[in-house]
Amino acid sequence: DMKVTQMPRYLIKRMGENVLLECGQDMSHETMYWYRQDPGLGLQLIYISYDVDSNSEGDIPKGYRVSRKKREHFSLILDSAKTNQTSVYFCASSPYEQYFGPGTRLTVL
Amino acid sequence: GQQVQQSPASLVLQEGENAELQCNFSTSLNSMQWFYQRPGGSLVSLFYNPSGTKHSGRLTSTTVIKERRSSLHISSSQTTDSGTYLCALETGANTGKLTFGHGTILRVHP
Repeated sequence: DMKVTQMPRYLIKRMGENVLLECGQDMSHETMYWYRQDPGLGLQLIYISYDVDSNSEGDIPKGYRVSRKKREHFSLILDSAKTNQTSVYFCASSPYEQYFGPGTRLTVL
Repeated sequence: GQQVQQSPASLVLQEGENAELQCNFSTSLNSMQWFYQRPGGSLVSLFYNPSGTKHSGRLTSTTVIKERRSSLHISSSQTTDSGTYLCALETGANTGKLTFGHGTILRVHP
């Protein structure tokens, strides 16, 4: 059964703190994604990774960076989080069809 | 303008009724995917359908490339079908980047 996992599922941070969101997949997919979903704005692509150390900016990369050192893991890092980064973050992976993780609800106070 | 437009924005049905959800796009597409999302939940892939018609249980997806549209038909709706239906298309060749519509919110009453 194809599976994308995300940790943590819920996170509360204070403005200025660093945030690390983790994503894993057990399908050996080369391509992985990070999205955020906000009411009224829908899903927006933050970063895309085509394989280990092969990352590309999406539509809204500002304020975020990513790391992919193993094919099965893709991390999203917020250095000095801001309140406008409060959102639900989704990770996905694909050979061609995209499979989504359960999401991380991040609140930045 | 927005590349992906979904209609209707919301829909209310009585259990047992059928639904037709539309997705229109303003650019050529490489692939099309339909997702289902329960409130507060993740996205579940329903169809990966770049062209033609696909069936899965009570669901049917039809993509007509030259008309730049895709539809999702739900037959004999059930209360458990309630949620948001999202379409997304990949426009760049092999970039893997999806552009999402804003979704159709479906409510099915018993």
